[in-house]
Parts: sequence; structure tokens; C-alpha cells
Amino acid sequence: DTAVSQTPKYLVTQMGNDKSIKCEQNLGHDTMYWYKQDSKKFLKIMFSYNNKELIINETVPNRFSPKSPDKAHLNLHINSLELGDSAVYFCASSQVLAGASDTQYFGPGTRLTVL
Amino acid sequence: AQSVTQLDSQVPVFEEAPVELRCNYSSSVSVYLFWYVQYPNQGLQLLLKYLSGSTLVKGINGFEAEFNKSQTSFHLRKPSVHISDTAEYFCAVREGGSEKLVFGKGTKLTVNP
Repeated sequence: DTAVSQTPKYLVTQMGNDKSIKCEQNLGHDTMYWYKQDSKKFLKIMFSYNNKELIINETVPNRFSPKSPDKAHLNLHINSLELGDSAVYFCASSQVLAGASDTQYFGPGTRLTVL
Repeated sequence: AQSVTQLDSQVPVFEEAPVELRCNYSSSVSVYLFWYVQYPNQGLQLLLKYLSGSTLVKGINGFEAEFNKSQTSFHLRKPSVHISDTAEYFCAVREGGSEKLVFGKGTKLTVNP
């Protein structure tokens, strides 16, 4: 069973479109995250949710909106896609929010290409 | 705010040679330290972590890392690498009481036959 899964794995779209990436975890974790990995492999956190509540919201354009229907799902919706949004987006989850043992488990990533 | 520096962007080695991937961090408070590995076209997998206690931490696939508080370092080592260790390696730090995991820019390890 896949612990953290993301769909789709690849997403190719035109500038200006709106798209969503879905993430699900079956680990029973309370906290979920979205990261962006750019073309130089640099990983940076975008958002974090704990029990459906937004707790980390880094400096990310308003076009990006996370949505958490329940604690096992954290979806990422992107409006008006731009060329610079092309990247690999990783979802992750962890058991304890700020506790010492909250190893983050990552999904396989979604490679977004904006043309 | 914490930051992580991985001093080498690329490390080429021959099979069965030892390797050390360097990681330094800056933080004014206690930290938790992690090494993740990313194989080509895959997600990140935890190799090992330092939370407290012994400064020498052993992880999966024969890797180990040593936490050095005075030098603010957490270097990753393996005594004998395999071709299958070819991957990108990320060092990450989380400050105590913070929710954020901050990553270094990664080190690409290439093991040649």
C-alpha cells in the first residue's frame, strides 16, 4: 500500500489554465505539507495543514490555494498557471506537528509543465 | 531563522570507495537533523535522523551521520558505496518548536564502476 500518493504524476498544461493536484495519505497522520522542487532541485515548503487547519503559509502567490477536505487529503489548486510554476510538487505527511519524532513521509511527486 | 548549506553540489566516486557528503546548518536554538535521499524520478526517502542522544546516527543502506554541535555540522558517510547509491541527497533541519523543515540544495552523488 502506498503511504503518500499523489495524482497525477505528470501534468502538462497551457499558461492561464487552472489545475489541481491531489494528495492522499493512509498513515493516519495529522499534518500534511506541500513542497515545490524547482529545476535546480531546491525544495521549499509552501503550505502545511494540521487536522484541516492551515498552519504554514509561506510566501506563495495567491494563485495557489490548498484545500483539505479531511486530514487524510490535501489538494493543491493553482489558478492562472504561469511558466514559472513549472516544477515538481511533493506532498508529505507527518505524525506530530512540532514534536521531536515527526519524520515527514513524501509522496512520489507531480511534475507540472506549463507551456 | 535556520538555514542549511550543503557544500558540494556534485560528488563523483568510484564503486566501493568511501564517501562523505557535507552538511552545515545555522540556528540559534536546538535542532533536529535529517538526511533524505531522492532516487531518479522518485520522491524523498528518509535515510536517517538526529533527534537527541548519541551523536552518531546509523541509517538505512549502510549510511551514518555524525552530529557535531560545535561545528554545526551533520555530515553523511558511507564506508563503501554501490552503483545503486547514485542519487540526490538532501540535508534538512527543523528547529525545536517549529513546524518547518528547511532543506539544503542537495548533493548529487554519482557512483561510477
